[in-house]
Amino acid sequence: DSGVTQTPKHLITATGQRVTLRCSPRSGDLSVYWYQQSLDQGLQFLIQYYNGEERAKGNILERFSAQQFPDLHSELNLSSLELGDSALYFCASSVGSGRASNEQFFGPGTRLTVL
Amino acid sequence: GESVGLHLPTLSVQEGDNSIINCAYSNSASDYFIWYKQESGKGPQFIIDIRSNMDKRQGQRVTVLLNKTVKHLSLQIAATQPGDSAVYFCAENTELIQGAQKLVFGQGTRLTINP
Repeated sequence: DSGVTQTPKHLITATGQRVTLRCSPRSGDLSVYWYQQSLDQGLQFLIQYYNGEERAKGNILERFSAQQFPDLHSELNLSSLELGDSALYFCASSVGSGRASNEQFFGPGTRLTVL
Repeated sequence: GESVGLHLPTLSVQEGDNSIINCAYSNSASDYFIWYKQESGKGPQFIIDIRSNMDKRQGQRVTVLLNKTVKHLSLQIAATQPGDSAVYFCAENTELIQGAQKLVFGQGTRLTINP
């Protein structure tokens, strides 16, 4: 158990809908990262937040957005869903924001299925 | 450009044997690599990391070798056990700007341990 929690575990929805994925980082961790894992694209970095502020963006679509709240939990919002958005979405957390001694701990993921 | 790839998508070894998983990268400026293990239904789990100022690093039953000349790294697992069955990813940890990092993952190798 990494200490990172994600809800829900599974999510099934229809094209065009909007969903929210939730992540609680390990106690004491200030950075949260979101990754998407799909069969064709593999594991891809989406976005990083540190202490409530966006720090880095990766291959995140404009239909997707995220935020980190004062209690440090984070939400990933996916809108106008398409079939290709079906994937595993992982959240990771680390103590700090840069690379130095900041191992990322991954949660168990949310499996999103868009029908 | 940035890319991290693997030579083999699957690898089967006998329990007790040693296994070697390979990974190639393309960016000669890459300086920090991490190996992750992902078991079925779980998020990636940190195994071992190596920075470019090292050629070799050892952990418990695992060794990572880095050859900067040919831009190649490998993960060696000694005396494999059934619990080693998983997908293994190499990842490059890139510092985007100070205080922001992202992981670029390879496609993964599925390791199967045969009894």
